Amino acid sequence: DQQVKQNSPSLSVQEGRISILNCDYTNSMFDYFLWYKKYPAEGPTFLISISSIKDKNEDGRFTVFLNKSAKHLSLHIVPSQPGDSAVYFCAASDGGTSYGKLTFGQGTILTVHP
Amino acid sequence: DTGVSQDPRHKITKRGQNVTFRCDPISEHNRLYWYRQTLGQGPEFLTYFQNEAQLEKSRLLSDRFSAERPKGSFSTLEIQRTEQGDSAMYLCASSAALNSGNTIYFGEGSWLTVV
Repeated sequence: DQQVKQNSPSLSVQEGRISILNCDYTNSMFDYFLWYKKYPAEGPTFLISISSIKDKNEDGRFTVFLNKSAKHLSLHIVPSQPGDSAVYFCAASDGGTSYGKLTFGQGTILTVHP
Repeated sequence: DTGVSQDPRHKITKRGQNVTFRCDPISEHNRLYWYRQTLGQGPEFLTYFQNEAQLEKSRLLSDRFSAERPKGSFSTLEIQRTEQGDSAMYLCASSAALNSGNTIYFGEGSWLTVV
C-alpha cells in the first residue's frame, strides 16, 4: 500500500526554466510534508516543508504547494540550475507522537541541462 | 560538523555474519530514527527513539535486527545472521522534540553489502 506516490520517475528541464515535481498521498491523517534531495551514496538533504494548515511555503528558489482536497503537493524550483540535478523525495508524517515516522515516495530523478 | 554522523559508511560482509552500525545524532536532538533504503525506492521507516526509549518498531524490523540508544545519545543498529536481502543503505536521522514543524535531519547513511 503506497501511501505516498511520486508518479514521475524522472524529469528533465533546461537550466533557467521551472522544475515542477509532484507528489500524491492517500492517508488523510498526514499533516506535515517534507521534500528531500538526495545524491547517490549520500543521505537525504532537507529542502523545504509545509504544514497542513498552509497551502504554500517558499524558501528562495523552492516553493511547495499543498492541495489538501486533492491530496497533492508539488515542489517548484525556479530557476532550475544544473546543481539541482538529483533524486527528489517527498515525505509525509501524521504528526502527534509519531512525528518523524516519515512515509516516503519512490523519488523523482531531476536532470537540469545546461 | 554538527550534523548526524554515521559509521561505518560502507560495510561488506559475508552472509551469516553480524554487523553493527553506529549513529551520532545532532547533539540537542532527543528523537532518533533509523530508516532503510534499497535501490529505486524511498527510505522506509524502521524504528525510532525518544531519548533512550524505543517507541516504535516497523514490521520490517525482523528479530535479527536490534537497535539501542543506551544513554539517549548515540544509537546502534545490529543485524545478526545477515542475509543478502539485508543489502541496503541504512539511514539515521534526528529531530528535536515532539512537535510537527521540527525538521528531520538525515545522516550520510551506511551502505551494507552482504555477499
